[in-house]
Amino acid sequence: NAGVTQTPKFQVLKTGQSMTLQCAQDMNHNSMYWYRQDPGMGLRLIYYSASEGTTDKGEVPNGYNVSRLNKREFSLRLESAAPSQTSVYFCASSEYGYTFGSGTRLTVV
Amino acid sequence: EDQVTQSPEALRLQEGESSSLNCSYTVSGLRGLFWYRQDPGKGPEFLFTLYSAGEEKEKERLKATLTKKESFLHITAPKPEDSATYLCAVQAGNDYKLSFGAGTTVTVRA
Repeated sequence: NAGVTQTPKFQVLKTGQSMTLQCAQDMNHNSMYWYRQDPGMGLRLIYYSASEGTTDKGEVPNGYNVSRLNKREFSLRLESAAPSQTSVYFCASSEYGYTFGSGTRLTVV
Repeated sequence: EDQVTQSPEALRLQEGESSSLNCSYTVSGLRGLFWYRQDPGKGPEFLFTLYSAGEEKEKERLKATLTKKESFLHITAPKPEDSATYLCAVQAGNDYKLSFGAGTTVTVRA
């Protein structure tokens, strides 16, 4: 099925560990996004890529880096995880409307 | 800075009891207002896009309307399967980023 695929679905990290969240879309969309969702705060944009080869900061970029590997793939990296980064992370792609992945539930202890 | 405020935070309804959710927004140059449905443990699922004041869209028991300052999502004769969190988002200016509200969690009891 066409859509946005995120891996892993669940992850537990210790403070200071690093990890990369993977995202791939097969809809040939130009734009891709990383959001985090926390209770009571809605979805907040971390980074986005308007097209292959470009990335820009969103509302809450501190502590994260991204790579737009090609048109299909957009990864999010936590270099040194902190408990404040415990959240649910969603990747999305769009031309005009957004399609979201099913999320990665990350806990940092 | 774009601002999106949804109310109420939570809504408990009896099956068949119609109600409305509100999304008020402050943006410069609205391109579109989006409604999404999110079930527990899943990503948001697209419902509607509204582009201009006065526009209305319907899907089954849901109807979305738009004014210059707010949007309403009307749920007519809801069923338990309409239980979900409903998210509102705006797209403004010259890019395709979405700014989301915090959502309204709707629970429909049989």
